Amino acid sequence: EAGVAQSPRYKIIEKRQSVAFWCNPISGHATLYWYQQILGQGPKLLIQFQNNGVVDDSQLPKDRFSAERLKGVDSTLKIQPAKLEDSAVYLCASSPQKAAAVEQYFGPGTRLTVT
Amino acid sequence: AQRVTQPEKLLSVFKGAPVELKCNYSYSGSPELFWYVQYSRQRLQLLLRHISRESIKGFTADLNKGETSFHLKKPFAQEEDSAMYYCALSPYSSASKIIFGSGTRLSIRP
Repeated sequence: EAGVAQSPRYKIIEKRQSVAFWCNPISGHATLYWYQQILGQGPKLLIQFQNNGVVDDSQLPKDRFSAERLKGVDSTLKIQPAKLEDSAVYLCASSPQKAAAVEQYFGPGTRLTVT
Repeated sequence: AQRVTQPEKLLSVFKGAPVELKCNYSYSGSPELFWYVQYSRQRLQLLLRHISRESIKGFTADLNKGETSFHLKKPFAQEEDSAMYYCALSPYSSASKIIFGSGTRLSIRP
C-alpha cells in the first residue's frame, strides 16, 4: 500500500512569512496527526483529526498555527506568521482507528527552516 | 505529568556486543509503551510494543512497572541496527495519543 505522502519536503522562509504543508494519509485511515519535531527532540503532537473533526489540538499554538482536514482525507497545516523557533521537521501520520492505541504510519516529513 | 525520558542521546557499541537503550516514563496510570525506530533516510516506524511481547529484529523490551522503565535490549548488536530510537507512551485514557521521548542515536561500530 502507498504510504503517507507529504509535500513539500523542504521549505525555507523568512520570519513573519507564512507557509503551508500538505499531507495525504494512507487510504482508509480515519485518524490523522501532525507532529512538530525540533532538532534533538522527539516528535510532539500538534493536532489530531478523526475523519474531519479535531480530537486534540491542545498543543497547537493557535495564534499562528492552523490545520484543517476537509472531507476527512487530505490535511493542510499552516503557520502564519512564522517565527525562528518554528524551524523543525513537521511530520504527518495516520492510523486506521481511534479506539485503540494502534500503530501510526509516518510520512517523510517537511523540514522547515525559518531565517 | 506524562513524560518519557531517554537519558542517553548517543550510544555507541561494537558489533556483536549487547545493547541496552534506556527508557523511563512518568504516568499515573497504566500506559501502553512502544519503541519506534528511524533508520537513515527512512521514515519513523514502529519497532515493537509492550503488549505484543514480541522479539523484533532481535530486540526485546520488558515493561517494569515498579521502576517505570521500558528498556530496549538486544544481545548481539549488528551494524544495521544503527538508527535513531524513540521510546513512546500512549495513555489509555487517550488511546491514540502518543508521547515520544527525545530519542537515542545508536551507533554500531564494526
